[in-house]
Amino acid sequence: EDKVVQSPLSLVVHEGDTVTLNCSYEVTNFRSLLWYKQEKKAPTFLFMLTSSGIEKKSGRLSSILDKKELFSILNITATQTGDSAIYLCAVSNNAGNMLTFGGGTRLMVKP
Amino acid sequence: DTGVSQNPRHKITKRGQNVTFRCDPISEHNRLYWYRQTLGQGPEFLTYFQNEAQLEKSRLLSDRFSAERPKGSFSTLEIQRTEQGDSAMYLCASSLVPGLAGAYNEQFFGPGTRLTVL
Repeated sequence: EDKVVQSPLSLVVHEGDTVTLNCSYEVTNFRSLLWYKQEKKAPTFLFMLTSSGIEKKSGRLSSILDKKELFSILNITATQTGDSAIYLCAVSNNAGNMLTFGGGTRLMVKP
Repeated sequence: DTGVSQNPRHKITKRGQNVTFRCDPISEHNRLYWYRQTLGQGPEFLTYFQNEAQLEKSRLLSDRFSAERPKGSFSTLEIQRTEQGDSAMYLCASSLVPGLAGAYNEQFFGPGTRLTVL
């Protein structure tokens, strides 16, 4: 069965800090890995990664995938209080019919 | 707003009652998914449709759970004889079919229906 493990479970930092969130996975017939941000409502799509070693970047957020070691990281630089949220990692198999999510990392950014 | 919408946003019911939730996907998306999320956990896949066909339903939590998408547009999720353990956030997502026009399967989520069973 497909499995996703995220670490740390929670993280408290101060504004301006840089954080790295980790996601390791086991999936049969890997297709893609996705990162979502969840505040008090539905998960909001951040990135989708399909190829190893290619960094995806959006503003202060970036992510990279290692398909050999089966993990991904999400970096957030110069954190702001608005980055406080749960960050979810999910993987899709080749059928693309479902996402398997990790338990999330709860990030709190203090002023 | 052309995102995924769900109704109602909140539902409080008594144990043993039936509840039905509705999801309207992004209009050009032919895939629709249902997930359940309990506190402190990531979303858990329940079922999905491609157009009106329900292609995977083995992950529905029990035979009290059923879903429909009769015309390939909106979908409903019904829970019969609710139990307190059914209390959760029920999320709907939609996507294009992977592989069509180069699409992978970014799934876009609705705001969810929070169910509380007393």
